[in-house]
Amino acid sequence: GESVGLHLPTLSVQEGDNSIINCAYSNSASDYFIWYKQESGKGPQFIIDIRSNMDKRQGQRVTVLLNKTVKHLSLQIAATQPGDSAVYFCAEATLSGYSTLTFGKGTMLLVSP
Amino acid sequence: EAQVTQNPRYLITVTGKKLTVTCSQNMNHEYMSWYRQDPGLGLRQIYYSMNVEVTDKGDVPEGYKVSRKEKRNFPLILESPSPNQTSLYFCASSTSGRQPQHFGDGTRLSIL
Repeated sequence: GESVGLHLPTLSVQEGDNSIINCAYSNSASDYFIWYKQESGKGPQFIIDIRSNMDKRQGQRVTVLLNKTVKHLSLQIAATQPGDSAVYFCAEATLSGYSTLTFGKGTMLLVSP
Repeated sequence: EAQVTQNPRYLITVTGKKLTVTCSQNMNHEYMSWYRQDPGLGLRQIYYSMNVEVTDKGDVPEGYKVSRKEKRNFPLILESPSPNQTSLYFCASSTSGRQPQHFGDGTRLSIL
């Protein structure tokens, strides 16, 4: 069958570069956001999350930035490595009341040695 | 090791032949969910379950059934599969629907 990577926007970088992957979310009521990484043949894997009372959160080599004014989320990966090559998804939800995650379509990151 | 296990990983079958994809998690999570992933469409939720005996429809439930008789298991049932259900399916679990979900490694179904 077709790879889930087909039809996706693609970001190509060199090893050691910093990568920025962007996501526009749809629901202005969303107040919780997650980034996932999906490697070929595997399920999505949690990377980092952020709540709407923050505009920046850092993890190991990754930083998520949230701009609620324009409903935009970004994932920055420092010193990108070939092992970072994967499809990256953002997901949104509302913390208050009942809700589940809504996923974006994803971006493929290709890292060249 | 914390994990979500799906079986089978791959299945080729024919239209109309009932099939079940099993999902089991060992993290005592209350929330479980099924997604299908199609090129260009991303992950779409089929059904979810907030707890034992509590299930609800997601965005694309037509043609699917689920059950949640035990906390750890959440099987996906295709009573009469059709070719438009050919897809990559993922099961996921978490402590709640709004928490990071742990995903299985997927089941690729081909309905001929």
